[in-house]
Amino acid sequence: DTAVSQTPKYLVTQMGNDKSIKCEQNLGHDTMYWYKQDSKKFLKIMFSYNNKELIINETVPNRFSPKSPDKAHLNLHINSLELGDSAVYFCASSQHWVRETDTQYFGPGTRLTVL
Amino acid sequence: DAKTTQPTSMDCAEGRAANLPCNHSTISGNEYVYWYRQIHSQGPQYIIHGLKNNETNEMASLIITEDRKSSTLILPHATLRDTAVYYCIVRVRGDDKIIFGKGTRLHILP
Repeated sequence: DTAVSQTPKYLVTQMGNDKSIKCEQNLGHDTMYWYKQDSKKFLKIMFSYNNKELIINETVPNRFSPKSPDKAHLNLHINSLELGDSAVYFCASSQHWVRETDTQYFGPGTRLTVL
Repeated sequence: DAKTTQPTSMDCAEGRAANLPCNHSTISGNEYVYWYRQIHSQGPQYIIHGLKNNETNEMASLIITEDRKSSTLILPHATLRDTAVYYCIVRVRGDDKIIFGKGTRLHILP
């Protein structure tokens, strides 16, 4: 069974559109994250949620709005998509916020292409 | 943003030990060394981490120099499935801000 799943796997859309990416984890973890991996392969954190509360909000345009309806889900909504938003977006989860273990489990990624 | 330096790519024969170096000369006393890998089209996978002592788990060994300015990840018996990009990261434990650099692209040769 998939531990961290994301949908869709690929997303191609026009500039100016609004789109959402969904993430679910079945590991019973408290903390979930969104990362962006750009064309240079740098993977940077965007948001972190712990028990549905926003913990980390890096310098990300406010066109990006995460939503956590429950502990197992963290969705990412993007308004007014721009060319520079093209990237692979990874969802991840970990057991706790301040945790004894240090393993983050990553989803398979969503490749977003903005035309 | 990345605080580490790694070779761009390396080759290793299948069945041999793969030794991946990483320089982190500006590491501070409370920063851990972490290794992740990313197999093509998949999300990053945690491998191992350490502070100053050498560490070993079922996947790999981590050797950290005494001055902590560099480390080596060792895959003892590399297989074709170990072909991936390997990322060396330094961060404070409990800090969820993982920033991956360019990593080392490891090719396992049959």
